[in-house]
Amino acid sequence: EIVLTQSPGTLSLSPGERATLSCRASQSVSGSYLAWYQQKPGQAPRLLIYGASSRATGIPDRFSGSGSGTDFTLTISRLEPEDFAVYYCQQYGSSPRTFGQGTRLEIK
Amino acid sequence: QVQLVQSGAEVKKPGASVKVSCKASGYTFSSNTISWVRQAPGQGLEWMGWISGYNGNTYYAQELQGRLTMTTDTSTSTAYMELRSLRSDDTAVYYCARERYDSSFEYWGQGTLVTVSS
Repeated sequence: EIVLTQSPGTLSLSPGERATLSCRASQSVSGSYLAWYQQKPGQAPRLLIYGASSRATGIPDRFSGSGSGTDFTLTISRLEPEDFAVYYCQQYGSSPRTFGQGTRLEIK
Repeated sequence: QVQLVQSGAEVKKPGASVKVSCKASGYTFSSNTISWVRQAPGQGLEWMGWISGYNGNTYYAQELQGRLTMTTDTSTSTAYMELRSLRSDDTAVYYCARERYDSSFEYWGQGTLVTVSS
């Protein structure tokens, strides 16, 4: 099973700032099958990034993903008020599909 | 548009079973796999398993094997998740999610709260 470790656990930033979230895998993620999801309270997760760097339909271009192998990054270039939420990475290149524990992005 | 509509909240006693449904619309049900994910209160996401909409093949997370069964009814485009021998730590919101062609989870149901309490 591939274990995903996200850092930091909580990130405190202000609107307009740049956010960088990390996801490290315990072994190489096959085919860069790494996704990022955003979850707001009381809502289902929303797919942001798939294939490590491709934005899902309707996702603003301030969201970008990068990385390969075992190290992946989600970057939000300029934070908007609606971006403050919890973010999860997930690998789906092999079963069991696994999620990271999440990074909470909060307003400073 | 693609929609996944789940059944309503459930309250169960320890040792009981629960069956949650996920009715799909807006696409050809047999074309995609459905995964189930759960989230305990205040916790992260836990992947439970997947079921193929095409042939009903399944894969379950090891820690749930023996208690978990996923099925589909292609005539109604509905996926089901049944969890048996419920414990208090099974209390969670349960989500179904439709996988894209690359297996990322593009569409999600609204979630079903299952509470296990004596």
